[in-house]
Amino acid sequence: NAGVMQNPRHLVRRRGQEARLRCSPMKGHSHVYWYRQLPEEGLKFMVYLQKENIIDESGMPKERFSAEFPKEGPSILRIQQVVRGDSAAYFCASSPEDRFYNEQFFGPGTRLTVL
Amino acid sequence: AQSVTQLDSQVPVFEEAPVELRCNYSSSVSVYLFWYVQYPNQGLQLLLKYLSGSTLVKGINGFEAEFNKSQTSFHLRKPSVHISDTAEYFCAVRRMDSSYKLIFGSGTRLLVRP
Repeated sequence: NAGVMQNPRHLVRRRGQEARLRCSPMKGHSHVYWYRQLPEEGLKFMVYLQKENIIDESGMPKERFSAEFPKEGPSILRIQQVVRGDSAAYFCASSPEDRFYNEQFFGPGTRLTVL
Repeated sequence: AQSVTQLDSQVPVFEEAPVELRCNYSSSVSVYLFWYVQYPNQGLQLLLKYLSGSTLVKGINGFEAEFNKSQTSFHLRKPSVHISDTAEYFCAVRRMDSSYKLIFGSGTRLLVRP
């Protein structure tokens, strides 16, 4: 069973460009979470999605950031007009059900560098 | 609100020596506790978790952790480390009434030397 897939693994963008990060959850998992890790910091929750629904986006910056998890295909985290402060590692996790004892399985992350 | 503190940003240790990675948390509600490991260029892998029951929890790769409610701590230990244990270790909590949002500490880099 393949793990959580994220691509690209590394992404370089210039200020003002758009960044699209993709996450394919584990097979059978219908819950996706995005976390951001700024340099020298721990991971911080951004958003929780189920298929076609955003359940909790309390950790998402108010502007420029959006996320989706369509019925078909991967979850996408989109950052418009990137700035240097967006440089970070973005991790996606998935779980089969929203039950407390279910582990969140993490992908390898996408490292975004904004020049 | 919850917070997790990992005071040691880096812990160097010689191979076969014991190690303890410290984790303290703050929360006004009951939480579950987790330790994750991140090897270079990989995602986070769950080492162990405390949900209830015995306060001493055993995980993978010979690691264990002890939950101390009075000291709000969840320190990670291993009696004898290997070179392959070199990695970043993250402590995390999750509210018992919220089944998904993990709150992470800033991580401790364990550096095992021969």
